[in-house]
Amino acid sequence: AQSVTQLDSQVPVFEEAPVELRCNYSSSVSVYLFWYVQYPNQGLQLLLKYLSGSTLVKGINGFEAEFNKSQTSFHLRKPSVHISDTAEYFCAVSRRSNDYKLSFGAGTTVTVRA
Amino acid sequence: GAVVSQHPSWVICKSGTSVKIECRSLDFQATTMFWYRQFPKQSLMLMATSNEGSKATYEQGVEKDKFLINHASLTLSTLTVTSAHPEDSSFYICSARDLTAEAFFGQGTRLTVV
Repeated sequence: AQSVTQLDSQVPVFEEAPVELRCNYSSSVSVYLFWYVQYPNQGLQLLLKYLSGSTLVKGINGFEAEFNKSQTSFHLRKPSVHISDTAEYFCAVSRRSNDYKLSFGAGTTVTVRA
Repeated sequence: GAVVSQHPSWVICKSGTSVKIECRSLDFQATTMFWYRQFPKQSLMLMATSNEGSKATYEQGVEKDKFLINHASLTLSTLTVTSAHPEDSSFYICSARDLTAEAFFGQGTRLTVV
């Protein structure tokens, strides 16, 4: 089974400052990794994903993440945040198998202040 | 990206009645659909996985007779909450995937049982 740990439950940050959201995973098999964003009372939107290849993945809205196999981490970063980045962020992992069931972390609430 | 439409976005029902939630993939054929439940300030909990034309696979602890899932076509899955009670009040989210590793999420349904 896979599990995901998001190390920060809440991250307050000032506008235009950088932000990093930490995610570690555990799995006995190879996995795919994802970051999703959720705005209040909405579904999830994919920010980026790692399937294979380059360990540095660039996503939408200026976000990027780096897959580190030795540390089993997939941290999300943005060099300069906006007020509109205030949301809930979820790291997720799925097995490289037919079902691709996602296991989610507990989520990180990012609050961007002016 | 692909679009998944979930309907209704919110519903209020009386205790003891049943509620049906629809999840449609609008521009792709969904070989697998997933149903999640999300409590306030918490992560998504997978309830069940459904494949078109076959019975859904429920996660441990999810009542099959309570949460009926039907995946009759490659573009539609439904979740029926039967004999709803106030403790069933929650945010329900569906996701759908085609043959790739990416899942696309619906907007979610806020169910309130009074």
